[in-house]
Amino acid sequence: DAMVIQNPRYQVTQFGKPVTLSCSQTLNHNVMYWYQQKSSQAPKLLFHYYDKDFNNEADTPDNFQSRRPNTSFCFLDIRSPGLGDAAMYLCATSRHDRGRHNEQFFGPGTRLTVL
Amino acid sequence: KNEVEQSPQNLTAQEGEFITINCSYSVGISALHWLQQHPGGGIVSLFMLSSGKKKHGRLIATINIQEKHSSLHITASHPRDSAVYICAGLGGATNKLIFGTGTLLAVQP
Repeated sequence: DAMVIQNPRYQVTQFGKPVTLSCSQTLNHNVMYWYQQKSSQAPKLLFHYYDKDFNNEADTPDNFQSRRPNTSFCFLDIRSPGLGDAAMYLCATSRHDRGRHNEQFFGPGTRLTVL
Repeated sequence: KNEVEQSPQNLTAQEGEFITINCSYSVGISALHWLQQHPGGGIVSLFMLSSGKKKHGRLIATINIQEKHSSLHITASHPRDSAVYICAGLGGATNKLIFGTGTLLAVQP
C-alpha cells in the first residue's frame, strides 16, 4: 500500500551525538513536512520541502537540519541533540496541486530518546 | 485563546454510545483535518473537509464554514476508538496546519 514510512520507529542517542531520522513515501507527493511533538502537546512544524525548496520555520533551532535527496526521501538531522529534543518526530506528505494543498498523510513517527 | 479550540478536552463513554467532538476556529482556513492519535503512536488522518459532510465507516465529520465550526461523530463507539482526536485547520494564507487542543477519548467496555 502507498504510505509514509519512518525509520527507525524508536531511536536512542546520547547527549550531543548527531542523529538522523528517515522518512520515505510512495505517494509521489511533492510536499514533505517534519513535525516535532512533545508529550501531551500538539505537533510543531519544524520545516517543509515544497519539491526541492526548503522552508524553515522561524523558530526552528539551527540544531535541526533537513535533506531531501529525491521526491521519495526526506531526512531530519539533529546535529547535537539535547535533553529537550526528546520527542516524537512525525513526517507528513501532501500534494500541492493547482494552487491547493491537499490532505496531509502522516507517518508512524520516530520516538527519540536522548540520554 | 487558541486559534483552533476543541471540546471537550476529555471524554469518557461506554461502549456503543454515540460520541460527538466539537471544533471551533477563529482564523481563515481552506480546509479542516480530523486526526486520530493513539497513546504513544503516530497520527492517522481521518478526514479532510472544506464543506458539508463526510462519512467513513462509523465516523462522520461535518463542517459549517459560516459558523467556523466542525464536529466529529462516532457511532456505536468501541474501546478501540480510545485515542486523542485532533482537529487541525489548513491555514488559508500559509497552507500550514493549525492544530487544536485535542480531545482524549476513552471508551469503556
